[in-house]
Amino acid sequence: DAKTTQPNSMESNEEEPVHLPCNHSTISGTDYIHWYRQLPSQGPEYVIHGLTSNVNNRMASLAIAEDRKSSTLILHRATLRDAAVYYCILRGFNTGGFKTIFGAGTRLFVKA
Amino acid sequence: EAQVTQNPRYLITVTGKKLTVTCSQNMNHEYMSWYRQDPGLGLRQIYYSMNVEVTDKGDVPEGYKVSRKEKRNFPLILESPSPNQTSLYFCASSTGLAGDTQYFGPGTRLTVL
Repeated sequence: DAKTTQPNSMESNEEEPVHLPCNHSTISGTDYIHWYRQLPSQGPEYVIHGLTSNVNNRMASLAIAEDRKSSTLILHRATLRDAAVYYCILRGFNTGGFKTIFGAGTRLFVKA
Repeated sequence: EAQVTQNPRYLITVTGKKLTVTCSQNMNHEYMSWYRQDPGLGLRQIYYSMNVEVTDKGDVPEGYKVSRKEKRNFPLILESPSPNQTSLYFCASSTGLAGDTQYFGPGTRLTVL
């Protein structure tokens, strides 16, 4: 089964860019790569997703490697409100049916 | 306001006493899912539904049942709860499956004694 691997934690200074990596070397061709974040005592919140091409939205950018075995979530200017646990997720159909595979998450600390 | 609601938010119960956690969404989404979140194991999918009367197992379905009789509701049923089902549960909905945004509820913290 596909899985995702993320660093346990990362630290950033406020107003600086943050690059959160995710390894998903066993990704299948039809799996979408999603990123969500979770603040304390809340449900996960959508950040961005993509299939093959890099993606940008108002919250972040997603850089997907050409072989799709890794991706990077980019927060262009970290703020204190970005401190959260960020999850890299694969979603797609395989022989066992539809799967949503969450990584263990990266806890992002943002220093003022 | 577009949202996913769950009830109850907190529940303490005893082993074997049947319980239902409700989930409702007001976005007319076809797809709904249940997840559990445990320390060290992250979030894992329990069941998902692609439409009314269409449900399928996720990664950890043992000990759980679901039903989808109406588009907006997707209750999670524990017929005979056990202590290993103590967890934080999240419901989510989306317009599609793989390539669409999921909207998560606020979570239900369940303790089974």
